[in-house]
Amino acid sequence: AQSVTQPDIHITVSEGASLELRCNYSYGATPYLFWYVQSPGQGLQLLLKYFSGDTLVQGIKGFEAEFKRSQSSFNLRKPSVHWSDAAEYFCAVGAPSGNTPLVFGKGTRLSVIA
Amino acid sequence: NAGVTQTPKFQVLKTGQSMTLQCAQDMNHNSMYWYRQDPGMGLRLIYYSASEGTTDKGEVPNGYNVSRLNKREFSLRLESAAPSQTSVYFCASSDPDGTGAGSPLHFGNGTRLTVT
Repeated sequence: AQSVTQPDIHITVSEGASLELRCNYSYGATPYLFWYVQSPGQGLQLLLKYFSGDTLVQGIKGFEAEFKRSQSSFNLRKPSVHWSDAAEYFCAVGAPSGNTPLVFGKGTRLSVIA
Repeated sequence: NAGVTQTPKFQVLKTGQSMTLQCAQDMNHNSMYWYRQDPGMGLRLIYYSASEGTTDKGEVPNGYNVSRLNKREFSLRLESAAPSQTSVYFCASSDPDGTGAGSPLHFGNGTRLTVT
């Protein structure tokens, strides 16, 4: 069964600084990988996804993520954080076959300071 | 362009009361899901329906029942609410492309439930 670990519960960055949120997954083959963002009081919104091909994927709002098979990681990055990026971020993993639902990490809360 | 709609948005129940959370999607998706979100626990799957007419248990099904009423609607029922069911409940839908490959989930805005 697949699993996801987000090692950082809470991260604080200054506005304009770069950001990297960590995600490690456990799965026997190449999984489908996702990053979602949740603003307060809202549902989750898809930022980006990786299925195959180029290991660096671009998403919405200036985010990107890199799949590294050797490290079982799918870290989310942004070169310059905006105050509106303050939210909770979830990494998720899905199996590439069958109707197995996505498994989510516990999330990383991002705070942005001036 | 509603996407996934959940009702109600907020609910307060007393221990032992029952209620049904409603979810409807207008994207013609095959699969629908119910998650609960608790602080520090992320999202945990309660039940899902891979296609109309099927339902399966997720990670935390105890105390819940579901009904896939039709392709659009997937309801979650608490028969006898307990304080441990105080949570935010999210409905989601997706559309595996026939291979069963995981397609992105589309989420509703959640139902905040408090059981006293």
